[in-house]
Amino acid sequence: AQSVTQPDIHITVSEGASLELRCNYSYGATPYLFWYVQSPGQGLQLLLKYFSGDTLVQGIKGFEAEFKRSQSSFNLRKPSVHWSDAAEYFCAVGADRGSTLGRLYFGRGTQLTVWP
Amino acid sequence: DAEITQSPRHKITETGRQVTLACHQTWNHNNMFWYRQDLGHGLRLIHYSYGVQDTNKGEVSDGYSVSRSNTEDLPLTLESAASSQTSVYFCASMAGFDSWDEQYFGPGTRLTVT
Repeated sequence: AQSVTQPDIHITVSEGASLELRCNYSYGATPYLFWYVQSPGQGLQLLLKYFSGDTLVQGIKGFEAEFKRSQSSFNLRKPSVHWSDAAEYFCAVGADRGSTLGRLYFGRGTQLTVWP
Repeated sequence: DAEITQSPRHKITETGRQVTLACHQTWNHNNMFWYRQDLGHGLRLIHYSYGVQDTNKGEVSDGYSVSRSNTEDLPLTLESAASSQTSVYFCASMAGFDSWDEQYFGPGTRLTVT
């Protein structure tokens, strides 16, 4: 069965510091992988996605993620965090076949706090 | 601009009452989804639809129902609200799967069952 694990519930970084949010997935085939961000009281916004090809994908707001098949990971990174990046981040894997086509399986989320 | 809206944004109801949450999208997307978000659980799928007259159960569908009479709307009904259904509910829509188009999320409905 598909599943997503985000090991870090809460991460705190200083503004300007680098950031890495971890995501591990379980899926039987080539996964469709996504990172979403949710600001307080808002819906989810797509940061980036991976389907195939280059394993390093670029997203919006200066974020990037690297797909590592051998580690079943899709970690999100940003070289220099801004205070406006404080939010909750969700990793998700998409089902590409059968009766669950199109559905997303989400991790529990990582809450990011940014210190000034 | 095309968008996805949810109403109401906030709702307080009593245990046992029937509640309907509305979801409306103007992209003409065939695929629509309802998720609930609870602390420590991320988002979990309640129901989804691939088109008019099509509905499917997700992983947490007990106590919920949906109907799809047109492309734009997928209302979610809680048949008899329970305190365990206190949550934030998100609707999403998606064009197709050929290139795994983005799922667009609504702003959410915060439901409290007292």
